[in-house]
Amino acid sequence: KAGVTQTPRYLIKTRGQQVTLSCSPISGHRSVSWYQQTPGQGLQFLFEYFSETQRNKGNFPGRFSGRQFSNSRSEMNVSTLELGDSALYLCASNGGGSYNEQFFGPGTRLTVL
Amino acid sequence: GENVEQHPSTLSVQEGDSAVIKCTYSDSASNYFPWYKQELGKRPQLIIDIRSNVGEKKDQRIAVTLNKTAKHFSLHITETQPEDSAVYFCAASYKKLTFGTGTRLTIIP
Repeated sequence: KAGVTQTPRYLIKTRGQQVTLSCSPISGHRSVSWYQQTPGQGLQFLFEYFSETQRNKGNFPGRFSGRQFSNSRSEMNVSTLELGDSALYLCASNGGGSYNEQFFGPGTRLTVL
Repeated sequence: GENVEQHPSTLSVQEGDSAVIKCTYSDSASNYFPWYKQELGKRPQLIIDIRSNVGEKKDQRIAVTLNKTAKHFSLHITETQPEDSAVYFCAASYKKLTFGTGTRLTIIP
């Protein structure tokens, strides 16, 4: 099976802009979770989508949003970018069962200037 | 919400020795405890996991133990090798994964 893929791999934006990141889960996986990874804060949970519905949400401001399509692909959007949004954004997919065995994508490295 | 603490933040061991990383969690409802290894510039990879109905699990040189009463779990790596050098994250999950802050393990040849 192909693994989790994310596009783009690298992005450079300026403050105030918005950005959309994409994630394609492992075939057959219906759950996609997003994480922000920074040196200072580690891996922080953003949200999880399952069957096109947001199932769980972390403690991030409303500038961070997401959605999931009928083919389980997911997008994450960050509006009004701030310098502190510079991070590695990882998505992970799992089969949606009660044990969250997550498989991570390679991540998108976002730099905000 | 869930809070996961991980210690130590850095660990250096001589090649061939054992390494132990410890985590505590706060939410007694958590029922799944995975460990991830992240090499520099790469994605986190699941190396072992344990569910709340099991006290110990072993896979070759890697083992994980869980003490539900004390709410702590540990990763044990025996006969360490240079390729074990990486950052290791523990996590606890009920409905969502909460990660520890990571341990940078360095194996000294």
